[in-house]
Amino acid sequence: SQTIHQWPATLVQPVGSPLSLECTVEGTSNPNLYWYRQAAGRGLQLLFYSVGIGQISSEVPQNLSASRPQDRQFILSSKKLLLSDSGFYLCAWSVTTEAFFGQGTRLTVV
Amino acid sequence: DAKTTQPPSMDCAEGRAANLPCNHSTISGNEYVYWYRQIHSQGPQYIIHGLKNNETNEMASLIITEDRKSSTLILPHATLRDTAVYYCIARASYLYGNKLVFGAGTILRVKS
Repeated sequence: SQTIHQWPATLVQPVGSPLSLECTVEGTSNPNLYWYRQAAGRGLQLLFYSVGIGQISSEVPQNLSASRPQDRQFILSSKKLLLSDSGFYLCAWSVTTEAFFGQGTRLTVV
Repeated sequence: DAKTTQPPSMDCAEGRAANLPCNHSTISGNEYVYWYRQIHSQGPQYIIHGLKNNETNEMASLIITEDRKSSTLILPHATLRDTAVYYCIARASYLYGNKLVFGAGTILRVKS
């Protein structure tokens, strides 16, 4: 069966520090991969999606970047975090129909 | 993907059916209607999807109008654990597009 791993679950980082969040999927090949952010009390904002290795589409200009070095690995990065980067970050995958989400990373930038 | 419109919030009594409406008047022929829900501090969970026929699974039923301009998600016997934000999404088949964009959703509060 397919599973998605996202870590860490919580993270507190100082302003100006780098960020790397990793997401991996097991049990499927060539999935579509997604990164979302949810600010406190707000909806889900699509940040990046990828249809294949090295193929990244950015939905919102921001302080973040994404990479897909392997078929089932999706990484969200920042060189210098801002206070406004705080939020709940979710990774998701889909193949043909529904999407499946990880448990999320709650990032607090202080 | 077509824009969807949902009421911002709804209340439902425990044990009663919860009927969540969604308007998608600009939906195109290759777009499916998907429903997800998000319980507080968790990732969204897929519920059901359909194209034009009504669908039912172990979680819910989906009723799509004949003109496909609106749909209703039905939770037949709502429980307190069904309290969540419910998202209705119109999304093209994966053959035509891969984005998955969420709107504001409906906050469903199930009350005892």
